[in-house]
Amino acid sequence: GENVEQHPSTLSVQEGDSAVIKCTYSDSASNYFPWYKQELGKRPQLIIDIRSNVGEKKDQRIAVTLNKTAKHFSLHITETQPEDSAVYFCAASGGGSTLGRLYFGRGTQLTVWP
Amino acid sequence: NAGVTQTPKFRVLKTGQSMTLLCAQDMNHEYMYWYRQDPGMGLRLIHYSVGEGTTAKGEVPDGYNVSRLKKQNFLLGLESAAPSQTSVYFCASRFLDSTEAFFGQGTRLTVV
Repeated sequence: GENVEQHPSTLSVQEGDSAVIKCTYSDSASNYFPWYKQELGKRPQLIIDIRSNVGEKKDQRIAVTLNKTAKHFSLHITETQPEDSAVYFCAASGGGSTLGRLYFGRGTQLTVWP
Repeated sequence: NAGVTQTPKFRVLKTGQSMTLLCAQDMNHEYMYWYRQDPGMGLRLIHYSVGEGTTAKGEVPDGYNVSRLKKQNFLLGLESAAPSQTSVYFCASRFLDSTEAFFGQGTRLTVV
């Protein structure tokens, strides 16, 4: 089955700096890679996603890059703000025999200091 | 349009007791999921379903059973609760592969 590794587990940045979170996956059949943000006591919510036919996607201060050959994808947050503080999860969704599965990494606790 | 709703929100069980968690979605989604969330462990997939009447095991299925008799509902059962099953449980659903998954509000379960 799929194995999603996420690093780092904690990340502290100063307001205005950039933050980068990296994930690797093991199943070459995976073709969909979403990122979720979970604020304390809340449910995870999608912030951006990328499909395997795309190398990069941006949405305002957030971008995601995908390297299918190396099986890794990254989340980039620019101009961080205190409200970006949360736990971020990467995920991978498979095809073929693992159709329908949605696997998550262990999460990154991002803290943005004012 | 309520989205994904989990019942109950909180529950305390004694070791050996059984219970069922209900997940209901009103978005006509095909896929439904049950995850558990423990500190430092992320979201671990327990069981999932790709359609009415079908279920499959995820990463940590032991001690849990599921049923999807109706498309809009996905039930998670604990036959004999153990303290190791103390966790926050999240249900999620999505339309198909490569689409956004929507989560319920979570169920905090404590087994004493």
